[in-house]
Amino acid sequence: AQSVTQLGSHVSVSEGALVLLRCNYSSSVPPYLFWYVQYPNQGLQLLLKYTSAATLVKGINGFEAEFKKSETSFHLTKPSAHMSDAAEYFCAVTLEGNSGGSNYKLTFGKGTLLTVNP
Amino acid sequence: EAGVAQSPRYKIIEKRQSVAFWCNPISGHATLYWYQQILGQGPKLLIQFQNNGVVDDSQLPKDRFSAERLKGVDSTLKIQPAKLEDSAVYLCASSFWHGELFFGEGSRLTVL
Repeated sequence: AQSVTQLGSHVSVSEGALVLLRCNYSSSVPPYLFWYVQYPNQGLQLLLKYTSAATLVKGINGFEAEFKKSETSFHLTKPSAHMSDAAEYFCAVTLEGNSGGSNYKLTFGKGTLLTVNP
Repeated sequence: EAGVAQSPRYKIIEKRQSVAFWCNPISGHATLYWYQQILGQGPKLLIQFQNNGVVDDSQLPKDRFSAERLKGVDSTLKIQPAKLEDSAVYLCASSFWHGELFFGEGSRLTVL
């Protein structure tokens, strides 16, 4: 079975500081991994995804994540936090073998709430 | 391009009452998902449709929850009778390819 663990339910940073949100996955086969962002009272929006191509993935709003198979990690980073980055971030996983087709579905972590202090 | 539409955005009911949520996916997306997001938790898949067929409903509490996707387009999720623990945001998503799920804004249910 596939699962993700997000370390830290709440992360607080100062504006301009490095953002690091941690995600570890568990999967018996090579996974596809995703980061989604959720702003208050809104649905989830895709930030970036890893689908077995380049291990360093760049997403929207200056975020990037690196897939490290040896560490089973897919941590999300941004060099300099902005006030507008305050939101909840979800890591998600699905199995490569399930990519596309009718069995494709995502399993989400519990989320990390990011607050940015002025 | 229009996004995933959901209604109503907010609903307050008393326990044992019924409620229905509606979702219209992005045009051309064959796969439709309903997720339940309880406060402080990640979204949990309730049911997945491929066109108008159910692919996965293993986590749907079938004694009280039902969902349908007639004609393979829009979908309705119903809860009857509601319990206090059903208070959550119900998210609808659709996809065409490889995990790029597009989510609606959600329907927030409060059961009193």
